[in-house]
Amino acid sequence: AAGVIQSPRHLIKEKRETATLKCYPIPRHDTVYWYQQGPGQDPQFLISFYEKMQSDKGSIPDRFSAQQFSDYHSELNMSSLELGDSALYFCASSLKRGAYNEQFFGPGTRLTVL
Amino acid sequence: AQTVTQSQPEMSVQEAETVTLSCTYDTSESNYYLFWYKQPPSRQMILVIRQEAYKQQNATENRFSVNFQKAAKSFSLKISDSQLGDTAMYFCAFSSGADGLTFGKGTHLIIQP
Repeated sequence: AAGVIQSPRHLIKEKRETATLKCYPIPRHDTVYWYQQGPGQDPQFLISFYEKMQSDKGSIPDRFSAQQFSDYHSELNMSSLELGDSALYFCASSLKRGAYNEQFFGPGTRLTVL
Repeated sequence: AQTVTQSQPEMSVQEAETVTLSCTYDTSESNYYLFWYKQPPSRQMILVIRQEAYKQQNATENRFSVNFQKAAKSFSLKISDSQLGDTAMYFCAFSSGADGLTFGKGTHLIIQP
């Protein structure tokens, strides 16, 4: 079965640089979620999109922005990177929004900021 | 806002034993969903089991079962006949409405041969 695809899988950036993470949801899934998991931490919800509109917002820094495109893939844009942004970034997708819909997680993008 | 608490940072059991991971939560919502996710060393997040708050029957998935006590706001995971492949971080998670998941801090489960 098709899974959530994230690219790149690994990314190394310098402080103050920008980064773009991409997420391709499972076919027919119209809802995308982004999570950030710092070292030794639990995943923190950043933001979600449903049918290309922002659905909910969590602890996403103002330096980050995201969008969902017409083909339902999503991109997380991160600017003015800080050392503390080093983390594993997960994208998850679900068929329709709502707590009853299972979120399927991608493998994550490991971002290292030097 | 809801909170999820996992009071056991790490647990270790012998292979084939039964182990129970604890989770408590706090919410003012009446309808919500609870989940257990497994994160092995590969860091992939894998759904183990989920429970709908309005269902009184405890969910089961093969060797995995939950003890859901709604009044006590408790949601523990029992793993029977534990296997080496069960070694992982286990996160308890909460969801209501259309929000993202709220996770606990996790329990590192180690299955010893």
